[in-house]
Amino acid sequence: NAGVMQNPRHLVRRRGQEARLRCSPMKGHSHVYWYRQLPEEGLKFMVYLQKENIIDESGMPKERFSAEFPKEGPSILRIQQVVRGDSAAYFCASSPRSRGPYEQYFGPGTRLTVT
Amino acid sequence: KQEVTQIPAALSVPEGENLVLNCSFTDSAIYNLQWFRQDPGKGLTSLLLIQSSQREQTSGRLNASLDKSSGRSTLYIAASQPGDSATYLCAVSEGGSEKLVFGKGTKLTVNP
Repeated sequence: NAGVMQNPRHLVRRRGQEARLRCSPMKGHSHVYWYRQLPEEGLKFMVYLQKENIIDESGMPKERFSAEFPKEGPSILRIQQVVRGDSAAYFCASSPRSRGPYEQYFGPGTRLTVT
Repeated sequence: KQEVTQIPAALSVPEGENLVLNCSFTDSAIYNLQWFRQDPGKGLTSLLLIQSSQREQTSGRLNASLDKSSGRSTLYIAASQPGDSATYLCAVSEGGSEKLVFGKGTKLTVNP
C-alpha cells in the first residue's frame, strides 16, 4: 500500500506565477488535509477536504489560495500570484475517515520557493 | 484557541540515555494526540496516537502518556540511539474536522 504521494517535491516559482501542488492520498483514504510549514514555524492547518467537498477551510488565506479534491484524481492546492511569503513546505495528510481515532498519514511535502 | 507548547526546544544527549519530551496544550477538549518524527527536509512519520480516553501508548522503545485534564503529554524514549536524532512533534486533533494543531517541536540530537 503506497503512502501519501505529493508532487512535485520541489517547486520554484517567480513572483506572480501560479503554483499547483498535488496530493494523492493513501489507498482507501477519502479525507485529505493540507498543512503549511513556514521557515522556523510549526505546521499550520490550512484546509480539510473530502471527495468533491471542502469541509473546513478555516486555515486558508482568504485570497489567492484554493483547494479541491475531485471525484477522480489527486487533491490540488493552488496558489495564484505567488509572493515570497508563500515560500514554505506544504504537507498533505490523509485519513480513512474523520470520526474516531484515525491517524493522519503525511506525505513527503512540496517545498515551494518563490524567487 | 488551542495552543501546543513543546519543551525543550532542543535536547542533546549521549547514546544510551533515557529521555523525556514534553508537550502541553491549552484546551483539554481534544479527540486524540499524535507524536510525530520529522527528519531534516523530510515529511512526518507518525510514532504514536493516543485517544482522548487513553492514558498511554507504547511502541518499541517509545512510550507516550496523556493527562488530558492537565493538558499534558510526554514521550519517553528508552535507550536512545543516534538514529533517534530528529525533530519530534506533538499534535492534538480538535473540532469536527479533527484538524491537527502542532507544537513547534523538540530537536533531539543523540551523540554516539
